Amino acid sequence: QFQLVQSGPEVKKPGASVKVSCKASGNSVTSYGISWVRRAPGQGLEWMAWISAYNGNTDYAQKFQGRVTLTTDTSTSTVHMELRSLRSDDTAVYYCARVTYYESTGYYSDWGQGTLVTVSS
Amino acid sequence: SYELTQPPSVSVSPGQTATITCSGDKLGGKYASWYRQRPGQSPVVVIYADNKRPSGIPERFSGSNSGNTATLTISGTQAVDEAEYHCQAWDSSTSVTFGGGTKLTVL
Repeated sequence: QFQLVQSGPEVKKPGASVKVSCKASGNSVTSYGISWVRRAPGQGLEWMAWISAYNGNTDYAQKFQGRVTLTTDTSTSTVHMELRSLRSDDTAVYYCARVTYYESTGYYSDWGQGTLVTVSS
Repeated sequence: SYELTQPPSVSVSPGQTATITCSGDKLGGKYASWYRQRPGQSPVVVIYADNKRPSGIPERFSGSNSGNTATLTISGTQAVDEAEYHCQAWDSSTSVTFGGGTKLTVL
């Protein structure tokens, strides 16, 4: 059974960086696209970025351009999300999610358990 | 940037039909998906590609998408359906957009 397991909670100071990992089990991550979605307190879901674990192609939401980087380690079936220059409003639960493609669209068929990132001085 | 609008909350009595809407410019020309999220849990897809139901999702969940509005319908709503529901649009030009979420209360 395919599963995404994320790294544990993080507490960071403003201006710092955080790196969250997402490990796929049950199948190789290189077969899929992985997106990162976050949910801040009192807010809805927010799409951040996508990576093709197959060829490393990436796509970033304009809001996060220049501040977020996705990388993949195919040897461990792990995708990493690094967010830099953290602010208090980056406090959120961060999810990785597998993209499943259907015709000309995609949807998120599997989700990690979420990683709470708290940004506080 | 593309925006999707959902009502913040919807209430329904057990056994009745719950309808949750998601509005966006020409949304009917894109594909819509819906996710259920219970408190403290990760989202789960309940409808994808406008009206497709993943395996394991009860038949009481259905979806439609036309014009500027996508709709999630839950027939014979049960207490276990109480959760927050998020719509999502996927389009090659607008990438991925989520709505603000709708809290469904079954009372």
